[in-house]
Amino acid sequence: AQRVTQPEKLLSVFKGAPVELKCNYSYSGSPELFWYVQYSRQRLQLLLRHISRESIKGFTADLNKGETSFHLKKPFAQEEDSAMYYCALSGLGDYKLSFGAGTTVTVRA
Amino acid sequence: DAGVTQSPTHLIKTRGQQVTLRCSPKSGHDTVSWYQQALGQGPQFIFQYYEEEERQRGNFPDRFSGHQFPNYSSELNVNALLLGDSALYLCASSSSGTANTEAFFGQGTRLTVV
Repeated sequence: AQRVTQPEKLLSVFKGAPVELKCNYSYSGSPELFWYVQYSRQRLQLLLRHISRESIKGFTADLNKGETSFHLKKPFAQEEDSAMYYCALSGLGDYKLSFGAGTTVTVRA
Repeated sequence: DAGVTQSPTHLIKTRGQQVTLRCSPKSGHDTVSWYQQALGQGPQFIFQYYEEEERQRGNFPDRFSGHQFPNYSSELNVNALLLGDSALYLCASSSSGTANTEAFFGQGTRLTVV
């Protein structure tokens, strides 16, 4: 069975401070990991995926297979980063996404 | 391109009734997935349709059924509604292939069962 855990429901940081959203997963194999974001009054959208190894809007995420984690990081948070963030997993040959419960990030001025 | 569109945006139904939700995929996409998102939870996979057939199903009862039309649009049907079916129902479209392709989500249909 595959499972995604986001231990923090809420995260509040000051503008310019670093932010890290935790994501742990359980999956017996090599998963594909994603971060999705939902800004206020907008639809859920892909932020980044581990296979791309990209930095999107200053965010990066590293897949740590030993710790089964895929934490999302940004060195300097901006007010426009305030949103709901979901970590998601897809297994090999799988067509579904398994989502965590999400973390609400608030960036204060 | 309007992206993924869902209708209706809100719906109120009575326990025991049946409901149909609709989804039009993003232009160029041929695969449609449905998710249920309860309050305070992440989306839960219901099923995926490709080439007018259900390709994969999540852990949902048979009361949940779907259909995909030749133009790739899709419907989600829920029979014998329960109070616990109240949720946001999300449709996501993608290009054929594995889940590794990016899924584009609609705004969702908010279903309330009373």
